[in-house]
Amino acid sequence: QSALTQPRSVSGSPGQSVTISCTGTSSDVGGYNYVSWYQQHPGKAPKLMIYDVSKRPSGVPDRFSGSKSGNTASLTISGLQSEDEADYYCCSYAGSYSVVFGGGTKLTVL
Amino acid sequence: EVQLVQSGAEVKKPGESLKISCKGSGYSFTSYWIGWVRQMPGKGLEWMGIIYPVDSDTRYSPSFQGQVTISADKSISTAYLQWNSLKASDTAMYYCVRHVYYFDYWGQGTLVTVSS
Repeated sequence: QSALTQPRSVSGSPGQSVTISCTGTSSDVGGYNYVSWYQQHPGKAPKLMIYDVSKRPSGVPDRFSGSKSGNTASLTISGLQSEDEADYYCCSYAGSYSVVFGGGTKLTVL
Repeated sequence: EVQLVQSGAEVKKPGESLKISCKGSGYSFTSYWIGWVRQMPGKGLEWMGIIYPVDSDTRYSPSFQGQVTISADKSISTAYLQWNSLKASDTAMYYCVRHVYYFDYWGQGTLVTVSS
């Protein structure tokens, strides 16, 4: 299992939209609709933001949305706010009860 | 309220053994897989493995198979992560997670430091 590929960093100004990509293979991202996204602030535990490609847990703002096309999933954050500055990780089911994470993306709000 | 509460930080020497814990509450502990996730200093998240507390069915990431042991005691709603012989490279934060096809609840993390 290889880690999913994410950009090391992305940035945007308050109010703008940013998209973080997550590229895998047909054995993980492309093979299942079980992609999830996690937000991690420094020194904190990760928090689930998106599951099953595009579903939001209760309490997650609708500024966060997820999608998938082929072997690439995406997380879009619209109306960027300062508190969105964090690390973001994608994760995909990879069969046989296993999952694989992306390497993480640092979002900077300018 | 669903909670996963992990045991406290540990400082160990290379070669020592260690068992850290994760106690679930606020939900039916036997209805969900429990997993462990490693985060080395300044690095990303790595899935280590999962256990189903009902029958202790355990699945490991190939990267961690043979390196750690995951176990659970359903009578006290607690999962464990164990090392027989720690290495300096085991220094990391370890999170327990409630596992569906995603991780909806996370423990607060247990920092393990291995240093001579």
